[in-house]
Amino acid sequence: DSGVTQTPKHLITATGQRVTLRCSPRSGDLSVYWYQQSLDQGLQFLIQYYNGEERAKGNILERFSAQQFPDLHSELNLSSLELGDSALYFCASSASGGLSYEQYFGPGTRLTVT
Amino acid sequence: AQKITQTQPGMFVQEKEAVTLDCTYDTSDPSYGLFWYKQPSSGEMIFLIYQGSYDQQNATEGRYSLNFQKARKSANLVISASQLGDSAMYFCAMTTETGKLIFGQGTTLQVKP
Repeated sequence: DSGVTQTPKHLITATGQRVTLRCSPRSGDLSVYWYQQSLDQGLQFLIQYYNGEERAKGNILERFSAQQFPDLHSELNLSSLELGDSALYFCASSASGGLSYEQYFGPGTRLTVT
Repeated sequence: AQKITQTQPGMFVQEKEAVTLDCTYDTSDPSYGLFWYKQPSSGEMIFLIYQGSYDQQNATEGRYSLNFQKARKSANLVISASQLGDSAMYFCAMTTETGKLIFGQGTTLQVKP
């Protein structure tokens, strides 16, 4: 158990819908990262928050948005869902946002868009 | 641009033998971190080992060691005394200044009894 929690574990929804994925980082970790894992794209970095502020942005679509709340939990919002958004979405946390801090991953949310 | 390359899509190893999973990286940053993660069939990502670009010695964590050759830009993972539970997908990854991870395509390792 990494100490990072993600809910829900599985999500099945229809095209055009909007969903929210939730992540609680390990106790004391200030940095949260979101990743998408799909068969064709592999593991891709989406976005990073550090202590409530957006710190880095990766291959995140405009239909996707995220935020980190004062209690440090984070939410990833996916809207106008398409079939290609079906993937495993990971949240990871680290103590800080630097390059030498290992990231601990949550169990992931498997999103299926039908 | 930063890039991680894992050239072995799949590997087989006999139980109790050692295996090396290859990883090469490309970056122009002077400081970077290199990681290996394990992803079993259940899907979770498990941190295995970390190597900093300025670390003089190769990192070791139990049966895992990282063979870091900076001049060759390689960071191979060595698993000693393979166990059946080592069967999984293994990802090499690199961090940038902000800490975001850039992953390779992964190597599937199967341990044979």
